[in-house]
Amino acid sequence: QSVLTQPPSMSGTPGQRVTISCSGSNSNIGRDSVNWYQQFPGTAPKLLIHTNDQRPSGVPDRFSGSKSGTSASLAISGLRSEDEAHYYCAAWDDSLNGAVIGGGTQLTVL
Amino acid sequence: AQLLESGGGFVQPGGSLRLSCTGSGFTFSHFWMSWVRQAPGKGLEWVATIRHDESEKYYAESVKGRFAISRDNVQKSVYLQMSSLRAEDTALYYCARGRSCVGRTCYDSPAWLGPWGQGILVTVSS
Repeated sequence: QSVLTQPPSMSGTPGQRVTISCSGSNSNIGRDSVNWYQQFPGTAPKLLIHTNDQRPSGVPDRFSGSKSGTSASLAISGLRSEDEAHYYCAAWDDSLNGAVIGGGTQLTVL
Repeated sequence: AQLLESGGGFVQPGGSLRLSCTGSGFTFSHFWMSWVRQAPGKGLEWVATIRHDESEKYYAESVKGRFAISRDNVQKSVYLQMSSLRAEDTALYYCARGRSCVGRTCYDSPAWLGPWGQGILVTVSS
């Protein structure tokens, strides 16, 4: 059971907007910024969103992040087939004195 | 920036293994470094993090007392010494660059992970 809770799976159709949630607590998301990672099968994860809502260079602006209180969200607009991947949220947990990573959300594009 | 892991392999339960990760294309000594693992068919699990100056190390409860993270900023490498290995330690182990620091000032979240290496497989089985 991960400290950060994500829905195990989500799906959408091309062009749709989907939002993946990440729920934490005061010791992690409530205190620290949230990063999001994208992982395709058989490949290493890639930093997708950092510091709650910042996109590294090269990440399309279809991807956006937000944080409110002890929860965070990753939104993908104009969904494309190539967005089909696993998505993970992460933050530092002051109580555990370490990083915590959500269980991951498998996104399927129908 | 690139990271390259090495040292994985097959080991019996109770055995030891040392993973290495060498960085290039960035000022290694300015960055925290982390290890994250992924068991077959499972999600990501943070394992350990070491500060840029090695002043502090952080471990997941699942590996505390068995694994040790260290680094050599001259060699631009971070290591994960794994002991008392168990079947549940079987995973693909990724090295990831962490937050950047200049002297005592650090930027971004301590949970910053990126970029990542390609991963190295560790199999613990009898």
